[in-house]
Amino acid sequence: ETGVTQTPRHLVMGMTNKKSLKCEQHLGHNAMYWYKQSAKKPLELMFVYNFKEQTENNSVPSRFSPECPNSSHLFLHLHTLQPEDSALYLCASGVPGDFNQPQHFGDGTRLSIL
Amino acid sequence: KQEVTQIPAALSVPEGENLVLNCSFTDSAIYNLQWFRQDPGKGLTSLLLIQSSQREQTSGRLNASLDKSSGRSTLYIAASQPGDSATYLCAPLDGNTGKLIFGQGTTLQVKP
Repeated sequence: ETGVTQTPRHLVMGMTNKKSLKCEQHLGHNAMYWYKQSAKKPLELMFVYNFKEQTENNSVPSRFSPECPNSSHLFLHLHTLQPEDSALYLCASGVPGDFNQPQHFGDGTRLSIL
Repeated sequence: KQEVTQIPAALSVPEGENLVLNCSFTDSAIYNLQWFRQDPGKGLTSLLLIQSSQREQTSGRLNASLDKSSGRSTLYIAASQPGDSATYLCAPLDGNTGKLIFGQGTTLQVKP
């Protein structure tokens, strides 16, 4: 059990749909992250939230809209996605500013865009 | 810009073998380096974290070494088991950005 739960595990959507990915952590962490893992590419950081505030947006297209209502929950709102957005989206949590603490990852949401 | 390379990309070995996975990174300005394991369709599990001042870290049958100045790390797996089959990812924590930079991983298959 990782302590970081992501839902749904799988999502298939059309390019005109709107959906949201959810992440919840029970580790008492105050940093949360969204990563994208595409086939044959390294894991890429998308967004970082520290104490509910966004501190990093790694040049992510606006069709991805993150939301962090509290330190335990993180959402990724999706709209008008493209086929190249099909990937595994991973959420992680950690301790802000403490680089000696490992990040803890969820099992991800496998997203397929039709 | 930090770049991470993992060699080999894939590895298949019989059970019981000792093996070494390699990771190289281009910028030696790192805070630490983590090795992760990823099972198919799953997230990442942290295996070992080596501080930039350390040379190695051990956990059970796993031993990770770090040579920061040369930009290299290795993950040594002793007496491999079929349950070790997974993708292993190396990720230095970039000292300039505070971000984890991932390699593409080594996919390991241990045959019974």
